[in-house]
Amino acid sequence: NAGVTQTPKFQVLKTGQSMTLQCAQDMNHEYMSWYRQDPGMGLRLIHYSVGAGITDQGEVPNGYNVSRSTTEDFPLRLLSAAPSQTSVYFCASYSRANSPLHFGNGTRLTVT
Amino acid sequence: AQSVTQLDSHVSVSEGTPVLLRCNYSSSYSPSLFWYVQHPNKGLQLLLKYTSAATLVKGINGFEAEFKKSETSFHLTKPSAHMSDAAEYFCVVSEKFNNDMRFGAGTRLTVKP
Repeated sequence: NAGVTQTPKFQVLKTGQSMTLQCAQDMNHEYMSWYRQDPGMGLRLIHYSVGAGITDQGEVPNGYNVSRSTTEDFPLRLLSAAPSQTSVYFCASYSRANSPLHFGNGTRLTVT
Repeated sequence: AQSVTQLDSHVSVSEGTPVLLRCNYSSSYSPSLFWYVQHPNKGLQLLLKYTSAATLVKGINGFEAEFKKSETSFHLTKPSAHMSDAAEYFCVVSEKFNNDMRFGAGTRLTVKP
């Protein structure tokens, strides 16, 4: 009954460091997305995937990379962290376009 | 592109009184609309969705929303607020075959005893 699992829950990085946020789902959903949540701005789409091997950019993709080698996993990479990337990151999966999103519990990232 | 405006950033009600959270949307095509709830330090949970069937949609925990095309609105209501309803609520719009779901900025609901 895991659903969408995100790791880590919290992370502090220094400017210029790199890291990968992990996301895994066990619902066999084809679609997965990454969002960032900032105060007063709701959630904004970073990248999404419509199946293994297929990814595309969302509203705010700069500074982030993704890949989708399996249906279950959709990691988000920050190659060179910047303070502007301080945010809460949510991964979501869904069965098809326009179906409800299933969210993980989020990763709170601070970049100093 | 589609967009959503949540008209109130913060709503405060007393326990037992009605709740109204307002959402207007913009879409070039027939939209799908959703309301999600986020309790503190948690992920988001689906409350209800509209996908072009009945215009009055019932969700979990006594919430419902009415799709009004002429007003481009999808307001969320509940007849009687409970303390456990205190949370942040997000209205979301997406267009058919479009993977870019757009979130509103959120409305924080406070429920006073």
